[in-house]
Amino acid sequence: EPEVTQTPSHQVTQMGQEVILRCVPISNHLYFYWYRQILGQKVEFLVSFYNNEISEKSEIFDDQFSVERPDGSNFTLKIRSTKLEDSAMYFCASRGRINQPQHFGDGTRLSIL
Amino acid sequence: AQSVTQLDSQVPVFEEAPVELRCNYSSSVSVYLFWYVQYPNQGLQLLLKYLSGSTLVKGINGFEAEFNKSQTSFHLRKPSVHISDTAEYFCAVSGYGGSQGNLIFGKGTKLSVKP
Repeated sequence: EPEVTQTPSHQVTQMGQEVILRCVPISNHLYFYWYRQILGQKVEFLVSFYNNEISEKSEIFDDQFSVERPDGSNFTLKIRSTKLEDSAMYFCASRGRINQPQHFGDGTRLSIL
Repeated sequence: AQSVTQLDSQVPVFEEAPVELRCNYSSSVSVYLFWYVQYPNQGLQLLLKYLSGSTLVKGINGFEAEFNKSQTSFHLRKPSVHISDTAEYFCAVSGYGGSQGNLIFGKGTKLSVKP
Protein backbone atom coordinates (compact mmCIF):
# COMPACT_ATOMS: atom_id res chain seq x y z
CA GLU A 1 0.00 0.00 0.00
CA PRO A 2 1.42 3.42 -0.91
CA GLU A 3 2.42 5.56 2.02
CA VAL A 4 3.52 9.04 2.98
CA THR A 5 7.22 9.21 3.81
CA GLN A 6 8.94 11.85 5.89
CA THR A 7 12.60 12.65 6.33
CA PRO A 8 14.47 12.95 8.56
CA SER A 9 12.88 10.99 11.37
CA HIS A 10 14.68 13.17 13.93
CA GLN A 11 16.17 16.63 13.43
CA VAL A 12 18.19 18.45 16.06
CA THR A 13 18.80 22.15 15.39
CA GLN A 14 20.18 25.13 17.25
CA MET A 15 17.72 27.88 18.08
CA GLY A 16 17.65 30.55 15.39
CA GLN A 17 18.68 28.19 12.62
CA GLU A 18 16.57 27.36 9.59
CA VAL A 19 15.18 23.87 9.23
CA ILE A 20 13.48 22.10 6.33
CA LEU A 21 11.28 19.07 6.91
CA ARG A 22 10.62 16.90 3.90
CA CYS A 23 7.67 14.81 2.88
CA VAL A 24 6.85 12.65 -0.11
CA PRO A 25 3.05 12.36 -0.31
CA ILE A 26 1.23 9.50 -2.02
CA SER A 27 1.78 10.01 -5.73
CA ASN A 28 -1.75 10.62 -7.02
CA HIS A 29 -2.89 12.71 -4.07
CA LEU A 30 -3.94 16.32 -4.53
CA TYR A 31 -4.26 17.79 -1.03
CA PHE A 32 -1.31 18.13 1.32
CA TYR A 33 -1.11 19.06 4.98
CA TRP A 34 1.28 19.71 7.82
CA TYR A 35 0.37 19.13 11.45
CA ARG A 36 2.39 19.29 14.62
CA GLN A 37 2.18 17.60 17.99
CA ILE A 38 3.99 19.13 20.91
CA LEU A 39 4.98 16.46 23.42
CA GLY A 40 1.99 15.45 25.52
CA GLN A 41 -0.45 17.63 23.59
CA LYS A 42 -2.92 17.10 20.79
CA VAL A 43 -2.20 17.12 17.08
CA GLU A 44 -2.66 20.64 15.67
CA PHE A 45 -3.31 21.70 12.09
CA LEU A 46 -0.69 24.00 10.57
CA VAL A 47 -1.38 24.38 6.86
CA SER A 48 -3.11 22.84 3.86
CA PHE A 49 -1.85 23.05 0.28
CA TYR A 50 -3.75 22.45 -2.94
CA ASN A 51 -3.14 23.33 -6.56
CA ASN A 52 0.32 24.70 -5.75
CA GLU A 53 -0.82 27.19 -3.17
CA ILE A 54 -1.74 27.43 0.48
CA SER A 55 -5.48 26.93 0.88
CA GLU A 56 -5.76 27.32 4.64
CA LYS A 57 -3.44 27.98 7.54
CA SER A 58 -3.79 28.15 11.28
CA GLU A 59 -2.66 30.97 13.54
CA ILE A 60 0.36 28.84 14.44
CA PHE A 61 1.57 29.12 10.84
CA ASP A 62 3.13 32.59 11.09
CA ASP A 63 5.71 34.30 8.90
CA GLN A 64 8.45 32.00 10.17
CA PHE A 65 6.81 29.07 8.38
CA SER A 66 6.59 28.36 4.67
CA VAL A 67 5.67 25.38 2.50
CA GLU A 68 6.74 24.39 -0.97
CA ARG A 69 6.16 21.68 -3.49
CA PRO A 70 9.33 22.25 -5.46
CA ASP A 71 9.35 19.35 -7.89
CA GLY A 72 5.91 17.76 -8.03
CA SER A 73 6.77 15.01 -5.58
CA ASN A 74 8.29 16.54 -2.45
CA PHE A 75 6.34 18.73 -0.05
CA THR A 76 8.48 20.70 2.37
CA LEU A 77 7.92 22.70 5.53
CA LYS A 78 10.51 25.38 6.29
CA ILE A 79 10.92 27.13 9.60
CA ARG A 80 13.07 30.16 8.99
CA SER A 81 14.37 30.95 12.48
CA THR A 82 13.57 28.20 14.93
CA LYS A 83 12.48 28.84 18.50
CA LEU A 84 12.52 26.51 21.48
CA GLU A 85 8.75 26.22 21.30
CA ASP A 86 8.99 24.81 17.78
CA SER A 87 10.17 21.53 19.30
CA ALA A 88 7.50 19.02 18.35
CA MET A 89 6.64 16.09 16.15
CA TYR A 90 5.69 17.31 12.69
CA PHE A 91 3.37 15.18 10.58
CA CYS A 92 2.79 15.41 6.87
CA ALA A 93 -0.46 14.10 5.42
CA SER A 94 -2.00 13.79 1.98
CA ARG A 95 -5.34 12.86 0.52
CA GLY A 96 -6.79 12.12 -2.88
CA ARG A 97 -10.27 13.58 -3.18
CA ILE A 98 -11.79 15.91 -0.63
CA ASN A 99 -14.01 13.21 0.94
CA GLN A 100 -11.20 10.69 1.32
CA PRO A 101 -9.30 10.31 4.58
CA GLN A 102 -5.87 11.76 5.08
CA HIS A 103 -2.88 9.45 5.15
CA PHE A 104 -0.13 10.41 7.57
CA GLY A 105 3.60 9.91 7.56
CA ASP A 106 5.48 8.67 10.60
CA GLY A 107 6.54 12.21 11.49
CA THR A 108 9.74 14.14 12.03
CA ARG A 109 10.72 14.82 15.61
CA LEU A 110 12.20 18.32 15.71
CA SER A 111 14.31 19.19 18.73
CA ILE A 112 15.45 22.79 19.15
CA LEU A 113 18.40 23.35 21.46
CA ALA B 1 -15.36 26.10 13.29
CA GLN B 2 -15.19 22.62 14.76
CA SER B 3 -13.98 21.25 18.06
CA VAL B 4 -13.52 17.76 19.47
CA THR B 5 -13.71 16.61 23.06
CA GLN B 6 -12.30 13.33 24.25
CA LEU B 7 -13.39 13.16 27.85
CA ASP B 8 -11.05 10.39 28.97
CA SER B 9 -7.33 11.07 28.79
CA GLN B 10 -6.48 7.55 29.95
CA VAL B 11 -8.44 4.30 29.89
CA PRO B 12 -6.96 1.24 31.59
CA VAL B 13 -8.64 -2.05 30.76
CA PHE B 14 -7.91 -5.74 31.13
CA GLU B 15 -7.24 -7.95 28.14
CA GLU B 16 -10.36 -9.42 26.53
CA ALA B 17 -12.60 -6.84 28.21
CA PRO B 18 -14.77 -4.50 26.12
CA VAL B 19 -13.80 -0.87 25.77
CA GLU B 20 -15.47 2.37 24.72
CA LEU B 21 -13.51 5.54 24.01
CA ARG B 22 -15.71 8.60 24.00
CA CYS B 23 -15.69 11.42 21.48
CA ASN B 24 -18.00 14.42 21.21
CA TYR B 25 -17.75 17.15 18.64
CA SER B 26 -19.23 20.52 17.88
CA SER B 27 -19.58 22.07 14.48
CA SER B 28 -21.64 24.67 12.68
CA VAL B 29 -21.43 22.64 9.45
CA SER B 30 -21.78 19.00 8.52
CA VAL B 31 -18.70 16.97 9.28
CA TYR B 32 -16.73 13.91 8.43
CA LEU B 33 -15.54 11.96 11.47
CA PHE B 34 -12.44 9.86 11.98
CA TRP B 35 -10.60 7.80 14.53
CA TYR B 36 -6.81 7.51 14.26
CA VAL B 37 -4.48 5.36 16.34
CA GLN B 38 -0.91 6.25 17.25
CA TYR B 39 1.41 3.52 18.46
CA PRO B 40 4.54 4.62 20.35
CA ASN B 41 7.03 6.47 18.15
CA GLN B 42 4.84 6.05 15.09
CA GLY B 43 2.56 8.18 12.95
CA LEU B 44 -1.19 8.32 12.84
CA GLN B 45 -2.99 5.36 11.32
CA LEU B 46 -6.60 5.58 10.23
CA LEU B 47 -8.85 3.20 12.20
CA LEU B 48 -12.18 4.13 10.65
CA LYS B 49 -14.16 6.95 9.15
CA TYR B 50 -17.71 8.19 8.89
CA LEU B 51 -18.54 10.11 5.72
CA SER B 52 -22.22 9.36 5.18
CA GLY B 53 -24.70 6.48 5.15
CA SER B 54 -24.87 3.90 7.91
CA THR B 55 -24.17 5.41 11.30
CA LEU B 56 -22.33 2.29 12.47
CA VAL B 57 -18.93 2.06 10.85
CA LYS B 58 -16.46 -0.76 11.14
CA GLY B 59 -12.73 -0.29 10.97
CA ILE B 60 -9.52 -2.21 11.24
CA ASN B 61 -8.45 -4.38 14.17
CA GLY B 62 -12.04 -5.12 15.21
CA PHE B 63 -12.94 -1.53 16.14
CA GLU B 64 -16.26 0.10 15.34
CA ALA B 65 -17.83 3.48 16.00
CA GLU B 66 -21.32 4.87 15.93
CA PHE B 67 -22.20 8.32 14.70
CA ASN B 68 -24.97 9.91 16.75
CA LYS B 69 -25.98 13.21 15.24
CA SER B 70 -28.42 14.22 17.99
CA GLN B 71 -25.77 13.68 20.67
CA THR B 72 -22.93 14.90 18.43
CA SER B 73 -20.93 11.84 19.41
CA PHE B 74 -18.73 9.32 17.65
CA HIS B 75 -17.69 6.81 20.31
CA LEU B 76 -15.19 4.08 19.49
CA ARG B 77 -15.81 0.53 20.71
CA LYS B 78 -14.19 -2.86 20.69
CA PRO B 79 -15.86 -5.92 22.26
CA SER B 80 -12.62 -7.60 23.33
CA VAL B 81 -9.26 -5.84 23.48
CA HIS B 82 -5.77 -7.27 23.10
CA ILE B 83 -2.47 -6.21 24.60
CA SER B 84 -1.51 -4.99 21.13
CA ASP B 85 -4.32 -2.41 21.22
CA THR B 86 -2.31 -0.39 23.75
CA ALA B 87 -1.87 2.95 22.00
CA GLU B 88 -3.19 6.49 21.89
CA TYR B 89 -6.45 7.05 20.05
CA PHE B 90 -7.45 10.33 18.46
CA CYS B 91 -10.89 11.38 17.33
CA ALA B 92 -10.92 13.96 14.54
CA VAL B 93 -13.42 15.93 12.49
CA SER B 94 -13.30 17.87 9.28
CA GLY B 95 -15.98 20.10 7.86
CA TYR B 96 -17.12 19.89 4.27
CA GLY B 97 -18.68 22.32 1.87
CA GLY B 98 -15.93 24.83 1.29
CA SER B 99 -13.32 23.56 3.74
CA GLN B 100 -10.11 21.96 2.49
CA GLY B 101 -10.73 19.14 4.91
CA ASN B 102 -8.33 20.16 7.65
CA LEU B 103 -8.57 17.80 10.57
CA ILE B 104 -9.36 19.04 14.05
CA PHE B 105 -8.19 16.54 16.63
CA GLY B 106 -9.21 15.77 20.16
CA LYS B 107 -6.58 15.58 22.87
CA GLY B 108 -6.37 11.82 22.58
CA THR B 109 -7.13 8.87 24.84
CA LYS B 110 -4.37 6.57 25.97
CA LEU B 111 -5.65 3.02 26.04
CA SER B 112 -3.65 0.74 28.29
CA VAL B 113 -4.49 -2.96 28.06
CA LYS B 114 -3.27 -5.05 30.98
CA PRO B 115 -2.89 -8.83 31.04
